[in-house]
Formats: sequence, structure tokens, C-alpha cells
Amino acid sequence: NAGVMQNPRHLVRRRGQEARLRCSPMKGHSHVYWYRQLPEEGLKFMVYLQKENIIDESGMPKERFSAEFPKEGPSILRIQQVVRGDSAAYFCASSPGAGSGNTIYFGEGSWLTVV
Amino acid sequence: QKEVEQNSGPLSVPEGAIASLNCTYSDRGSQSFFWYRQYSGKSPELIMSIYSNGDKEDGRFTAQLNKASQYVSLLIRDSQPSDSATYLCAVTSGSARQLTFGSGTQLTVLP
Repeated sequence: NAGVMQNPRHLVRRRGQEARLRCSPMKGHSHVYWYRQLPEEGLKFMVYLQKENIIDESGMPKERFSAEFPKEGPSILRIQQVVRGDSAAYFCASSPGAGSGNTIYFGEGSWLTVV
Repeated sequence: QKEVEQNSGPLSVPEGAIASLNCTYSDRGSQSFFWYRQYSGKSPELIMSIYSNGDKEDGRFTAQLNKASQYVSLLIRDSQPSDSATYLCAVTSGSARQLTFGSGTQLTVLP
């Protein structure tokens, strides 16, 4: 029973490097969401994607962050030129369809540490 | 700005007691309401969803929704030490598909 799969689970990057986080949604799910959780804070929405489309990126920082969900393969959250403030847990979630009645399931998260 | 507010706690209850967690939301158009449990260093785990006014029970958990007061709560009966975690309230509104989370309430159940 494969849930939402994220990798890597833990990633260490030096300031200025790039971080790539991958997410494979649950089987049958075509909607992917990325959330960020800073230490001791709640989850903040970043971006919502369907296959080959960004539906809502209102929570994405304007610079250095990008996301994609290609026709084939996992969704990728890319952070360029990382800074220490990017250190956080990044959670991917998926749902089977659109609409607020669809339950959203979370992956185990990717913990990024910038040194 | 859509907001979801929770008391950050920490909330401590003795084992066997009822834990009561509260959440208010600002957007009257909110339609779906969720409670997630998150253990330290782990991902959020869905424990309850509620869509209409009233109570919804699932085992030891009861979610209560009052849309007029823009208030949703979670009751945990017969609290166990394993219930010690952060409880996150989340809301979706109208055409927005994403969840808006509160900052969470940290619950500690004392043996």
C-alpha cells in the first residue's frame, strides 16, 4: 500500500547550492501539494499542481523556488541558491481530485538542512 | 487573509481525561474541516474530517463544527500517553483546494 513517497528524507546542502525534493503521489492521485514547516511552526502552503500544470503557486517565494509535476515521473520542488532560512521540513501531499471534499494525504516529508 | 487560529498550548491532561482542542477560522466560506495529528519529526496524519454542523464521532475522537460561530473542536476521550502530539486544525475554502493550517496545539497526556 504505497502512500505518498518523498525523497530524499534528509538532505544537507551548503549555502548557495541547489536542493531538489521529489514526490510521487499516491496511486490514482493526480493532484499534488507542497507545504513547508519551519521549526516550531505550522504548515504553510506553497504550491498546488496537477500533471503538467501549476494551479496555485500563491505560497511560493518569488525567487529561487520552483515546482513542476511532469507528465511522467514525480513532482519536484527545486530550491536554488539555498540559504539557512530554507532549512525546514518540506511535505508533499496528494489527493485524488479537485474540490474541498477530497481528503489530502501527506508524505513522510523531506528535511532540508542548510549549513 | 484567511486565517486559522489555535491555542498553541501546551495543553496537559491526565491519562483517562477528556482533552478538548479548539480552532477558529476567519473565512465564512470555509467548507471542509480537518484535524491532523503530528508527532515530533513526523508527517501530519489525518484523524478526523467534518463538513457539516454538529458532531462527528470516530472511536475516542469527536469533532464538533459550528459554522455560525466559525468554530471547530476536537474532543479526545479516555486520553492516552500515546495521544501526546501536536494537533493541527486545517480548513479548505470555496474554490481553493489547498489546506490552510493553524499553528497547532501541543497536547501532553500525563501517565
